[in-house]
Amino acid sequence: DAEITQSPRHKITETGRQVTLACHQTWNHNNMFWYRQDLGHGLRLIHYSYGVQDTNKGEVSDGYSVSRSNTEDLPLTLESAASSQTSVYFCASFDEGAGELFFGEGSRLTVL
Amino acid sequence: AQRVTQPEKLLSVFKGAPVELKCNYSYSGSPELFWYVQYSRQRLQLLLRHISRESIKGFTADLNKGETSFHLKKPFAQEEDSAMYYCALTTTGTASKLTFGTGTRLQVTL
Repeated sequence: DAEITQSPRHKITETGRQVTLACHQTWNHNNMFWYRQDLGHGLRLIHYSYGVQDTNKGEVSDGYSVSRSNTEDLPLTLESAASSQTSVYFCASFDEGAGELFFGEGSRLTVL
Repeated sequence: AQRVTQPEKLLSVFKGAPVELKCNYSYSGSPELFWYVQYSRQRLQLLLRHISRESIKGFTADLNKGETSFHLKKPFAQEEDSAMYYCALTTTGTASKLTFGTGTRLQVTL
């Protein structure tokens, strides 16, 4: 079955380290998104992409970057991890036919 | 800019009681509204959208443009309804880019 997967599911890192969270979808969706989920803030958009080589900043993009070299993958990179980036990160892709956003299982990142 | 407000962080109800999860939005144009749900240890998933005008798992939501609200309702709560609920909005021309509210945790107790 087609799906969207995230890895790693859990990661602990230290302040200042570079971290990359992977997101892979097999539906061939053009539109992909990264959100972070924090208590009291809900889901906030970090970056998004409408296709290969297209990337856009979301509401809380500072300290994060993405790249889109193919349709299937949208990796999220934290160039220099900060404690404020401790969060649960969700990747999602959009099914244009169904008009629905499908989410990955989430990646819990702890920055010490 | 658009904004979605869910005033309650936690809503606790007894099994069989009516449920209303509040959602208000601010957007000057014609938005499309959604409710997403996250059950324990499961992915976020679409519950319903206003354009479908459907009832899913007994839940309904009506878009009230005058009050800019999209409250989620269910007449009789079930234990399995316990979850985190997010109201979300998209705007014209950005069908896939959702703005989410802060979420309401619904706790249904016996």
